[in-house]
Amino acid sequence: AQSVAQPEDQVNVAEGNPLTVKCTYSVSGNPYLFWYVQYPNRGLQFLLKYITGDNLVKGSYGFEAEFNKSQTSFHLKKPSALVSDSALYFCAVRDDLPGSGNTGKLIFGQGTTLQVKP
Amino acid sequence: DTEVTQTPKHLVMGMTNKKSLKCEQHMGHRAMYWYKQKAKKPPELMFVYSYEKLSINESVPSRFSPECPNSSLLNLHLHALQPEDSALYLCASSRGLAGGKHSYEQYFGPGTRLTVT
Repeated sequence: AQSVAQPEDQVNVAEGNPLTVKCTYSVSGNPYLFWYVQYPNRGLQFLLKYITGDNLVKGSYGFEAEFNKSQTSFHLKKPSALVSDSALYFCAVRDDLPGSGNTGKLIFGQGTTLQVKP
Repeated sequence: DTEVTQTPKHLVMGMTNKKSLKCEQHMGHRAMYWYKQKAKKPPELMFVYSYEKLSINESVPSRFSPECPNSSLLNLHLHALQPEDSALYLCASSRGLAGGKHSYEQYFGPGTRLTVT
């Protein structure tokens, strides 16, 4: 079965420092991976996705993610954190099992709260 | 424009009431989704529509009834809800359901905060 794990419930970083939010996946077949961010009392916002190609994916708001096939990871990164980056981050993978067709379903991780302190 | 709108923003309803949630997008997307989200948890998929036809029902209780009147609109009709149905209800849309190299991202609305008393 397809699955995603975010091993950290919360990540704390100081403003201006680099940040990493971790995500590992387990899939049958090729992984199609996404990162979303959710600010308090808001919907999810798409940040970036990995479908194929370069292992370093650049996204919105200065975020990027590194796809590592051997470690089955897709960690979200930013070189210099802002207080306004404080939010809940979700990693997700397409749930495209062979024979199930294109359902559009996403399997979400449990989420990681990022706290950036001034 | 990558906006999905949802109304109302907040809704309080009794267990015997009937209400509806509305979602709208004008991005030309052909897939639309309803999710339920509890605080600090990932969204749980409820329904998927593709080209205005119901594609997936994730075994949702019949007190939730989705409707897709046209390609831009998605409704969720609520009837005889339970207090445990209180949650943030999110609508999302994407260009389609295609997978593989054409996997499309979903765009989410701000949600409707539902409280069932």
